[in-house]
Amino acid sequence: AQKITQTQPGMFVQEKEAVTLDCTYDTSDPSYGLFWYKQPSSGEMIFLIYQGSYDQQNATEGRYSLNFQKARKSANLVISASQLGDSAMYFCAMREGRSNYQLIWGAGTKLIIKP
Amino acid sequence: GAGVSQSPSNKVTEKGKDVELRCDPISGHTALYWYRQSLGQGLEFLIYFQGNSAPDKSGLPSDRFSAERTGGSVSTLTIQRTQQEDSAVYLCASSLALAGGRYQETQYFGPGTRLLVL
Repeated sequence: AQKITQTQPGMFVQEKEAVTLDCTYDTSDPSYGLFWYKQPSSGEMIFLIYQGSYDQQNATEGRYSLNFQKARKSANLVISASQLGDSAMYFCAMREGRSNYQLIWGAGTKLIIKP
Repeated sequence: GAGVSQSPSNKVTEKGKDVELRCDPISGHTALYWYRQSLGQGLEFLIYFQGNSAPDKSGLPSDRFSAERTGGSVSTLTIQRTQQEDSAVYLCASSLALAGGRYQETQYFGPGTRLLVL
């Protein structure tokens, strides 16, 4: 079974609109961390936001927020007021448990912002 | 401060040759990770280090792949007898620690080494 599922291979969004990128995860471990990364066409992997499984509040980092629904095992990324520079691949990843420190990655969503 | 650096940025080699890829993590980061990304794909985990120790090498694709880290800093990923299927971008990341929340475990990535095996 997929540990991290990103169901949207690609999305087109009008500039200045908000966009939600979906991510669902699968783990039975109570301790985990969830990450979102952005990868522009230049190839660099840029950290955006982190949510810990024990965090009480949804994480926010500037225009990025994470809609964390623990019971549904969902960790959607919300980008407010999208900009042309937001066009990139977006990856959701999970650090599962305290004995396995690799990040498990989703397949990614290609986001294109239209002017 | 300086981010994660990797060298070379690009490497073209002939099938059967050995290659060494280098990663210089952020100063003070105890954890270091290697990933591989094939064209248009997500990331494939290869190996992680805590200090100089790599507790789990099961992510390495074959015994042609090896990695080491010395002095708790620089790491080298070596691919022996390269094959065409080894062609990919090899990404290195580092974090302050392996776990512990946002500031401890967030991984920061280098620019990658693009490997092409002819």
